[in-house]
Amino acid sequence: DGGITQSPKYLFRKEGQNVTLSCEQNLNHDAMYWYRQDPGQGLRLIYYSQIVNDFQKGDIAEGYSVSREKKESFPLTVTSAQKNPTAFYLCASSIVITAGELFFGEGSRLTVL
Amino acid sequence: GESVGLHLPTLSVQEGDNSIINCAYSNSASDYFIWYKQESGKGPQFIIDIRSNMDKRQGQRVTVLLNKTVKHLSLQIAATQPGDSAVYFCAESFQGAQKLVFGQGTRLTINP
Repeated sequence: DGGITQSPKYLFRKEGQNVTLSCEQNLNHDAMYWYRQDPGQGLRLIYYSQIVNDFQKGDIAEGYSVSREKKESFPLTVTSAQKNPTAFYLCASSIVITAGELFFGEGSRLTVL
Repeated sequence: GESVGLHLPTLSVQEGDNSIINCAYSNSASDYFIWYKQESGKGPQFIIDIRSNMDKRQGQRVTVLLNKTVKHLSLQIAATQPGDSAVYFCAESFQGAQKLVFGQGTRLTINP
């Protein structure tokens, strides 16, 4: 079945450590996104990528980094510079950047101890 | 399960009744609107979308209404079932998915 796979589902890290969240899609979508979700708030865009080897900052990119070396993969690194990294992270894709409908993965819950 | 919103607006309905979830959007230039359903601990799932050149669109048991005059969007769910319990998000965008702006979400609970 086509879809988006995020891993790990749960991740615990100590303060000061960088962590990388994986996102893989087999939908052949050009565009991929990373969102952060906090309790009581809507989804906020961290980074997005329109096409391989290209990515752009979203609304809350500080303390995060991404790469897009392959069409199907868009990993997110939460660096030690992110002040409040504990959150639920969602990866999504769309056919192209101008398409409105996003397909989401199941999310990764990061807890920083 | 995961908590996707501790202080969300909540709507409680009886099983079998119709549910109406409302959303006010902010950008009068938005040309695309979408509703997502998110169950606890899972990613959002697409429900229905509508473009600004329409004011109503129907799907299976769901209807979205768009009132551009007052910048209001609503999702109607017919004959609500226990499986409809979730948090529902509206989102608006202008020229592309990278510009989707999500609302806070509404938690729908179903009373037996």
